[in-house]
Amino acid sequence: EDKVVQSPLSLVVHEGDTVTLNCSYEVTNFRSLLWYKQEKKAPTFLFMLTSSGIEKKSGRLSSILDKKELFSILNITATQTGDSAIYLCAVEGGGKLTFGQGTILTVHP
Amino acid sequence: DADVTQTPRNRITKTGKRIMLECSQTKGHDRMYWYRQDPGLGLRLIYYSFDVKDINKGEISDGYSVSRQAQAKFSLSLESAIPNQTALYFCATSDFGGSSNGYEQYFGPGTRLTVT
Repeated sequence: EDKVVQSPLSLVVHEGDTVTLNCSYEVTNFRSLLWYKQEKKAPTFLFMLTSSGIEKKSGRLSSILDKKELFSILNITATQTGDSAIYLCAVEGGGKLTFGQGTILTVHP
Repeated sequence: DADVTQTPRNRITKTGKRIMLECSQTKGHDRMYWYRQDPGLGLRLIYYSFDVKDINKGEISDGYSVSRQAQAKFSLSLESAIPNQTALYFCATSDFGGSSNGYEQYFGPGTRLTVT
């Protein structure tokens, strides 16, 4: 059975802090790992990772994949209150996604 | 206009009632999915369909059924709703997005279902 585990489950920080979110997986027929951000609505796509060691970056967010150790991290630097959301990790195999539980990030001013 | 729409957006129903949630998409994607989201459990796959003639069970299909009426429409039914089916339900679509986005999924706005 495919499994994706995220940690921590929740995190409270202050504006300007840097956070690291973790995602580990056990999935057959791995194709890619995706990160989504969910505010009070549907998840929105952040990154897709397919190759180990290649960092994807978008503004203050970055992510990297380790296919040998079966995990990924999502870094957010200089956090802002607008970064408060649920961050979902999902792994794609066989055309379907298996999601982790999500990390609830709260950024206080 | 939204690419993936869901109706209704909110629904309260009683135990034992039959209810249908509908999903439509204008993205032209072949693949469609139904998920439910519960606090602390992420999104769990209920059913998915890779084309009109293809229906597959996900990890939590018991108590649910689906119908793929057309490429653009995928409906989820609860034949006899029970309180533990109270959740946020998402429809999603995907198609191959190229080497950078793979099979990225696009989500509808969600349907909040309460079973009393």
